Amino acid sequence: AQSVTQPDIHITVSEGASLELRCNYSYGATPYLFWYVQSPGQGLQLLLKYFSGDTLVQGIKGFEAEFKRSQSSFNLRKPSVHWSDAAEYFCAVGLYSGGGADGLTFGKGTHLIIQP
Amino acid sequence: DVKVTQSSRYLVKRTGEKVFLECVQDMDHENMFWYRQDPGLGLRLIYFSYDVKMKEKGDIAEGYSVSREKKERFSLILESASTNQTSMYLCASSLSGGSGNTIYFGEGSWLTVV
Repeated sequence: AQSVTQPDIHITVSEGASLELRCNYSYGATPYLFWYVQSPGQGLQLLLKYFSGDTLVQGIKGFEAEFKRSQSSFNLRKPSVHWSDAAEYFCAVGLYSGGGADGLTFGKGTHLIIQP
Repeated sequence: DVKVTQSSRYLVKRTGEKVFLECVQDMDHENMFWYRQDPGLGLRLIYFSYDVKMKEKGDIAEGYSVSREKKERFSLILESASTNQTSMYLCASSLSGGSGNTIYFGEGSWLTVV
């Protein structure tokens, strides 16, 4: 079974500084990879996703992520964070089944705190 | 925009009560999901459905059941609520064709069982 590891439970970054959130997955083939963000008291919003092709994926809100097959990683980055980026971030993996509904497997999340 | 609506945002129920959490999506998606979210555990899949009246257990289905009588509606049922089911419940939906399709989430239902 696939699994997702987000090694950092909490990360604190100063406003305007760069950000990198780590995500490692375990699966024999290349899965579909996703990053979601959850603001307090809200549902999850998709930031970006990777299926194939260019390993650097651009998302919404100025985020990007890079797929590195050799490291089984899909780290999320942003060059300059804003106070509004404070949220919970989830990495997720999915498998193509060709049909049916396979739910995603989520990491446990990284809580991002922005310091003024 | 896809909209997934969970009708109850905050509920407080007593131990042993039967609880219904309702979810409706407006984009004609074939797939619907119920996840549970707990601090430090992330999201865990309870049940999913890929068609009307079709359902599959997820990772933590015990103590839960679901109903999908219409394509747009997916209900989560706690037959006899227990305190360890106090949690945030997230409904989601997606198009069919495998998990490469984006899953859209509702805003969540906070359930407290006392």
